[in-house]
Amino acid sequence: NAGVTQTPKFRVLKTGQSMTLLCAQDMNHEYMYWYRQDPGMGLRLIHYSVGEGTTAKGEVPDGYNVSRLKKQNFLLGLESAAPSQTSVYFCASSYADGYTEAFFGQGTRLTVV
Amino acid sequence: GIQVEQSPPDLILQEGANSTLRCNFSDSVNNLQWFHQNPWGQLINLFYIPSGTKQNGRLSATTVATERYSLLYISSSQTTDSGVYFCAVGGNLFFGTGTRLTVIP
Repeated sequence: NAGVTQTPKFRVLKTGQSMTLLCAQDMNHEYMYWYRQDPGMGLRLIHYSVGEGTTAKGEVPDGYNVSRLKKQNFLLGLESAAPSQTSVYFCASSYADGYTEAFFGQGTRLTVV
Repeated sequence: GIQVEQSPPDLILQEGANSTLRCNFSDSVNNLQWFHQNPWGQLINLFYIPSGTKQNGRLSATTVATERYSLLYISSSQTTDSGVYFCAVGGNLFFGTGTRLTVIP
């Protein structure tokens, strides 16, 4: 049972380039989330999804897009990367209505130069 | 969003010592989790504890939802306990800024 898996684990981008981060969960969870963690700070919610085909904005959504075409996958896209998006990105999933235990992936360290 | 404050921000302990970490939050919540972020950056679930008390080995946690706080107790600390401890609350998990724990041999 892999839980929540993020791909890739590390990436370096040049300013203006685009990329997609993939999150996959095998726990049949409805809810999925993307967070970013900056040095010395807690995690902040970027976007989330309450089920296949749905997405919603979180606390810091600007510069990111997401898609949930399949229940088990949640994609985070950066259309035109900026140095301010240098961060560690975490994906999470939870079973039902958000008021249940969430489980996190191992993180993706993204550097934009 | 919900404001989450954790204290202390930093804590240095001698191996074998006990500690208490605190999490205060600004609104009533139905969800509260404690996480340990190890030195490799991995987030490890410690407790899902919207109310009441739970224990797991040397760790225990208590949440008093009506008074909007939660406590994490670490007894007989070990060097492997080092890292950052996060409290997160609410349906979409609002995180505090964490308590950085360093356990010295």
